[in-house]
Amino acid sequence: GDSVTQMEGPVTLSEEAFLTINCTYTATGYPSLFWYVQYPGEGLQLLLKATKADDKGSNKGFEATYRKETTSFHLEKGSVQVSDSAVYFCAIAGGTSYGKLTFGQGTILTVHP
Amino acid sequence: EAGVVQSPRYKIIEKKQPVAFWCNPISGHNTLYWYLQNLGQGPELLIRYENEEAVDDSQLPKDRFSAERLKGVDSTLKIQPAELGDSAVYLCASSLAIPLFEGTQDTGELFFGEGSRLTVL
Repeated sequence: GDSVTQMEGPVTLSEEAFLTINCTYTATGYPSLFWYVQYPGEGLQLLLKATKADDKGSNKGFEATYRKETTSFHLEKGSVQVSDSAVYFCAIAGGTSYGKLTFGQGTILTVHP
Repeated sequence: EAGVVQSPRYKIIEKKQPVAFWCNPISGHNTLYWYLQNLGQGPELLIRYENEEAVDDSQLPKDRFSAERLKGVDSTLKIQPAELGDSAVYLCASSLAIPLFEGTQDTGELFFGEGSRLTVL
């Protein structure tokens, strides 16, 4: 079945530092790729998505590019803020995950002033 | 627009007791999901409904878990009897699945509720 692997965390950064959270996937076919974010005390919410190879999803200064050749969808942000502290989940849909999201284990990000 | 509403937010019970969680999806969303999230893990699908039909319940432990979505709107997830290992957060999500062409559809964005945190003592 489909699976998603995220870099082991947690990640701790200072404000304005560069962020990368790695995500790789295993899937058949052509899945869609997502990053969801969970802020403290809130529900999961979609951060960005990409539906085909070489697509770049972006939102709130975050970016991720669908790399089919490396089966990756790494999340990046050039300058993080304290308000970005949250848990980030990479997910896929489609392939054998048709009709549902399959999530990675999540990466905790803490940004200090 | 109201989001996905779940209740209760927190529930503490003793093992072998029953428990039920309720979910009201976003109005008009035809697809409803129940996910299980263990501490430090990503959510895992328990069951997916398209309207009132359960189309994927392969990961639902049917000996103790049951779910229903009467009238294709709100849904209830029940555990009876609860075990210590059931302590987790139960997430409900909904989406508007978009038909692409015959026999397939785009899942659409999933909107999640805040979850129901269960503690079994």
